[in-house]
Amino acid sequence: DAGITQSPRHKVTETGTPVTLRCHQTENHRYMYWYRQDPGHGLRLIHYSYGVKDTDKGEVSDGYSVSRSKTEDFLLTLESATSSQTSVYFCAISEYREETQYFGPGTRLLVL
Amino acid sequence: GEDVEQSLFLSVREGDSSVINCTYTDSSSTYLYWYKQEPGAGLQLLTYIFSNMDMKQDQRLTVLLNKKDKHLSLRIADTQTGDSAIYFCAESIGTGANNLFFGTGTRLTVIP
Repeated sequence: DAGITQSPRHKVTETGTPVTLRCHQTENHRYMYWYRQDPGHGLRLIHYSYGVKDTDKGEVSDGYSVSRSKTEDFLLTLESATSSQTSVYFCAISEYREETQYFGPGTRLLVL
Repeated sequence: GEDVEQSLFLSVREGDSSVINCTYTDSSSTYLYWYKQEPGAGLQLLTYIFSNMDMKQDQRLTVLLNKKDKHLSLRIADTQTGDSAIYFCAESIGTGANNLFFGTGTRLTVIP
């Protein structure tokens, strides 16, 4: 793995509660991404960041917000979790936008 | 998002060759990737091919790209039980907000 950790690795929460997932990298890559993985959909981009405090929406951004206050950390927040957000969440990094993305180990989130 | 399609399942006997296929719709792709996901793990980059190439070989892996038919394949020679995993193809398109599109993944099962 390219120096990417995600925390927590597993989480169970209740509908309506806020949840924050953390992605931490040690590669000093500029770009960081959050994806969700669901059966039948492959991976879909939620949000990405192209620098500190610079973020943009992906394909499935509704219900999610992100923040990046340091190069090494990219946070994904579910303000009020819903059952449809039960998924496996992957963080990825890349040096440049067009370059290969390297993935973290994933966070498995269950919203009851 | 773009359509990247893969068959869901493939079973092969140990020692045989595996061929995993992928079709995509956008002819402006720059890179095409193959990722491997083992149970409970993140996505590991296996190999990639630039869109102006038609073949790339890397040890037991051979990637074939047919741009005319928008068809990508991954051949694994002498398939081993450790190759059992889900394989994702992904298409990189330009530099827009969503530039990496994944297929749904093919679950490869290697039978001893």
